[in-house]
Amino acid sequence: SDELAQPLSVSVALGQTARITCGGSNIGIRNVHWYQLKPGQAPVVVIYRETNRPSGIPERFSGSKSGNTATLIISGAQAGDEADYFCQVWDNPTAVFGGGTKLTVL
Amino acid sequence: EVQLVQSGAEVKKPGDSLRISCKASGYTFTTYWISWVRLVPGNGLEWMARIDPSDSYTNYSPSFQGHVTVSTDRSSNIAFLQWNSLKASDTGLYFCARHDGGLNWFDPWGQGTLVTVSS
Repeated sequence: SDELAQPLSVSVALGQTARITCGGSNIGIRNVHWYQLKPGQAPVVVIYRETNRPSGIPERFSGSKSGNTATLIISGAQAGDEADYFCQVWDNPTAVFGGGTKLTVL
Repeated sequence: EVQLVQSGAEVKKPGDSLRISCKASGYTFTTYWISWVRLVPGNGLEWMARIDPSDSYTNYSPSFQGHVTVSTDRSSNIAFLQWNSLKASDTGLYFCARHDGGLNWFDPWGQGTLVTVSS
């Protein structure tokens, strides 16, 4: 089945741009979705199908994909964006999550 | 408002059985799938299984096949995750999440059910 590789941690200065990558051999042919997970809360989708932002998600969240790497971009990171972020694809009929990236806002 | 509300935390012993629930509201229950996902510190999110409430068709992750069972009660708009014999390694936070049949994203998620298995 697919495996998705994410960096364990990413640090970003307050107000700067954070980039979290998700790599996998089949990313190029999959739809990639991104979730934010904060302690004590349910995961929230922040980007779906690589580049789409759900209503209610701040515009500073965006996504891209090139080749076999998808990237979550947080422009102007805020303290409240500190969380774990997971990418996800379907390797039909199973879902696969990346290992997660802990974002620290300095 | 679309909501998934899960049952409360459970503390069990190895070998016990357990069923946790996920009650859906705010949409037609049979038009979306429900998946179950486990969160274990250090292991991240693990997808376990999914069920189509319209016909109870299921898929399981090979990692969980045979150890858990997913089901639904269409009359009450509830999805269930069940174990017949818990292990200590089943300790974790379990989420239900809605998605459509087109292999799309999970939204929304339930608030999570903490399951602790300890002798």
